[in-house]
Amino acid sequence: EVQLVESGGGLVQPGGSLRLSCEASGITLRRFAMSWVRQAPGKRLECVSTISGSGNSTYYADSVKGRFTISRDNSKNTLYLQMNSLRAEDTAVYYCAKDPTITIIGGGHSDYWGQGTLVTVSS
Amino acid sequence: DIQMTQAPSSLSAYVGDRVTITCRSSQYISSHLNWYQHKPGKAPKLLIYLSSTLESGVPSRFSGSGSATHFTLTINSLQPDDFATYFCQQSYTTPRTFGQGTKVELK
Repeated sequence: EVQLVESGGGLVQPGGSLRLSCEASGITLRRFAMSWVRQAPGKRLECVSTISGSGNSTYYADSVKGRFTISRDNSKNTLYLQMNSLRAEDTAVYYCAKDPTITIIGGGHSDYWGQGTLVTVSS
Repeated sequence: DIQMTQAPSSLSAYVGDRVTITCRSSQYISSHLNWYQHKPGKAPKLLIYLSSTLESGVPSRFSGSGSATHFTLTINSLQPDDFATYFCQQSYTTPRTFGQGTKVELK
């Protein structure tokens, strides 16, 4: 059974940092492209970052570019999102999601998601 | 970015009803449209990809159709387990963008 479990969320002050983790079980993470998707209160889902299975290709939403870094440790079967210079508007539930392909392809989809971890940016 | 608009934002229905949710894209996306089900505190679940392909294990009462800019998700004979929020996602271009969601509630 495929499971994705996020951790690392919490309360942080504006300007602070957090590192989110997404531990995978039931799959070999390096074979799949992965994404971080967030949902702020009352807002729609937003894809903030993606990474290919090899780690060579990444995408960042303009809203997080230069502040967030996606990475993966295939030996630990874990995906990460390093979040720096956090702002109030980064407050959201963050989900990791897996694609069934090694790269993010046109016409693709996320076939498994985690339950999410809440990040609250507030003083 | 491609804008996705779902309708309605919420609906009330009885067990056994047929429910239809629509999703429109701001530009052409071929059949690159996915549907997910989301319950509070749970992981979103893939229902349908490429507009009409049912994900393995998803009950056949769920179906999807459409192409270009207009898509629909239909739930035939709504079951108690189906009360949830449904959202569409386009994957024609990066970034993949989402509809605002449709909450299906018990009438």
